[in-house]
Amino acid sequence: GAGVSQSPSNKVTEKGKDVELRCDPISGHTALYWYRQSLGQGLEFLIYFQGNSAPDKSGLPSDRFSAERTGGSVSTLTIQRTQQEDSAVYLCASSPGQKTTDTQYFGPGTRLTVL
Amino acid sequence: GQQLNQSPQSMFIQEGEDVSMNCTSSSIFNTWLWYKQDPGEGPVLLIALYKAGELTSNGRLTAQFGITRKDSFLNISASIPSDVGIYFCAGPNAGNNRKLIWGLGTSLAVNP
Repeated sequence: GAGVSQSPSNKVTEKGKDVELRCDPISGHTALYWYRQSLGQGLEFLIYFQGNSAPDKSGLPSDRFSAERTGGSVSTLTIQRTQQEDSAVYLCASSPGQKTTDTQYFGPGTRLTVL
Repeated sequence: GQQLNQSPQSMFIQEGEDVSMNCTSSSIFNTWLWYKQDPGEGPVLLIALYKAGELTSNGRLTAQFGITRKDSFLNISASIPSDVGIYFCAGPNAGNNRKLIWGLGTSLAVNP
């Protein structure tokens, strides 16, 4: 399909381990967002990539979180030394333009459980 | 900081009923977005509002951008079981318009 895809769909890990979450945006979309959604909560902004510009990392909750976007396409969110409070659904979205209010197309998310 | 408050937090209705939910803020927003999230999926944009007073429809959905620019409502007419999900309002952060501020959502359950 032509939508945003994320992998894995579910990830269970032990406290202290590192995890990598992958996002494949819609082809041609220049903007890519990562969000975190905890149970019963809204979406918490993590990081934003726009074209070749420096990413907006202002939403990353700690230095254990990092993200890359290679070749302006695929993005990887890495969480080092995972903690139980990192358990959440991690959503990726892409949009075609530079305006935040451009429609964001979301992937199905990766459900992370830290034991 | 800016916050969006959604109400009600949850609703349980009978199929065929109309639904109304709203989103308020103490801050002014220049754009209001309404998204729906189905279980196990990411949110999908339903309606975007860009002008105070604007009333926009999308099928059985109608949303309005409040005149004060501090609120918006979403109505769903003649609800059907597939309307089940969480409805979020969102708007651009005034201090950093690369970010959207999201409400906590209104969870809708429809009894067939």
